Amino acid sequence: GNSVTQMEGPVTLSEEAFLTINCTYTATGYPSLFWYVQYPGEGLQLLLKATKADDKGSNKGFEATYRKETTSFHLEKGSVQVSDSAVYFCALSTGGFKTIFGAGTRLFVKA
Amino acid sequence: EAGVTQFPSHSVIEKGQTVTLRCDPISGHDNLYWYRRVMGKEIKFLLHFVKESKQDESGMPNNRFLAERTGGTYSTLKVQPAELEDSGVYFCASSQETGQGARETQYFGPGTRLLVL
Repeated sequence: GNSVTQMEGPVTLSEEAFLTINCTYTATGYPSLFWYVQYPGEGLQLLLKATKADDKGSNKGFEATYRKETTSFHLEKGSVQVSDSAVYFCALSTGGFKTIFGAGTRLFVKA
Repeated sequence: EAGVTQFPSHSVIEKGQTVTLRCDPISGHDNLYWYRRVMGKEIKFLLHFVKESKQDESGMPNNRFLAERTGGTYSTLKVQPAELEDSGVYFCASSQETGQGARETQYFGPGTRLLVL
C-alpha cells in the first residue's frame, strides 16, 4: 500500500544551521507530495508541494525536490531560525481526496 | 477570514463515556476531512465529506465512531463508547471543491486532544 517514511526526531539544531529532514515514499501511480508544518498550538499548514517528478517545491526558505528515481522528497533549509521550531510532516496523495502522512519530525532550533 | 476551528481543544474522559468533537470549516469549503494522530505516530485519514455527503469513510476505525455534517456546514465526530486506544489528536481540515482532489490545499484546524482514561 501507499506509505510515507520520514526520519525520526527530534532534530536539534543551532540557529543558522543547515536542515535536512529525510522523507521517502511508497506509492502506486504518480503521487503528489507535500510537506506540512505544525507550529506549537496551531493546526497543520501546507509548507510546500510538488505534483510531478523533478518538481521543486519551495516556501519560506524551505525546499524539497520530487525524486522519482529514489522515491524521496527531502526537506531542506539553508539557515534555520528559532521560529522554525515545529513538527514537520511529509505526505502524499495518489489522487482522490485521501492524504497519507508520515509520523512527523520534531525540530528544535536553539538560539 | 476565519480558519478552521475545532471544539473542544482538549477533552479528558473515562473509558465508556461519550465524546463529541466539533469542526467548523472555512466558509464556502465543500470538502471536510477528519484525521487522527495517535501517540505521536502518523496522521491517519478517517473520512471525507463533500457538503453533507460522506464520500469516503474507509479510515473510520470501527462503529463506535460516527461522523455527521448536517446541512453541509459544521461537522461532528462522536465516539461512543470511548476506549483507551481512542486517545490522540483529532484534526479537521477543509478545502474548496476545484476538481483537484487532495492536490487542492487543505486547511487544518488546531486539533482536539482527546485523552481516554
